[in-house]
Amino acid sequence: GAGVSQSPSNKVTEKGKDVELRCDPISGHTALYWYRQSLGQGLEFLIYFQGNSAPDKSGLPSDRFSAERTGGSVSTLTIQRTQQEDSAVYLCASSFAGQNTGELFFGEGSRLTVL
Amino acid sequence: QKEVEQNSGPLSVPEGAIASLNCTYSDRGSQSFFWYRQYSGKSPELIMFIYSNGDKEDGRFTAQLNKASQYVSLLIRDSQPSDSATYLCAVNLGSSNTGKLIFGQGTTLQVKP
Repeated sequence: GAGVSQSPSNKVTEKGKDVELRCDPISGHTALYWYRQSLGQGLEFLIYFQGNSAPDKSGLPSDRFSAERTGGSVSTLTIQRTQQEDSAVYLCASSFAGQNTGELFFGEGSRLTVL
Repeated sequence: QKEVEQNSGPLSVPEGAIASLNCTYSDRGSQSFFWYRQYSGKSPELIMFIYSNGDKEDGRFTAQLNKASQYVSLLIRDSQPSDSATYLCAVNLGSSNTGKLIFGQGTTLQVKP
């Protein structure tokens, strides 16, 4: 497809388990972002990848969260030892390099529920 | 104080009326401002962006920016039931020209037929 693709769309896990969320950005987009949206909350920035530069990890809430982007394309967000407060929709977005408009193209999100 | 603040609503307007959505931000150095629309259960999509003080019009939508008052608004003319959604205000902090945005909590708009 032409849009940002995320998987899984839904994930239910038990507290303490690790989860991996995947994002496939729009072809040609070199910037990739992870945000999360908790129930009734706005979007919270997590991490940003731009080309081969070091990622901006300033939004990651704890060291249980990590992300990587392989080959400048697909990204994986990993949450270790999940907690109930990690329950949220995790949204991936991509954009063109150097684009000033802040026009982010979002995927449909991965809904994470930690029991 | 939150960095980007919006009234959560819901804001209810009759079909055909003007809907006015407001947003304030705390970082005086912010340069870029965005309005995203999010339908229930869907992902956000960009509908407007504005960089300069004043008004910017696009069809039925007008974004207004007042940097001195740290205030940005979105007007929707001739509101339609299909405009019913949550509208998210977003700001680039400082002089950042990336998609690293600070979002408000969003205002839910209900347009009643």
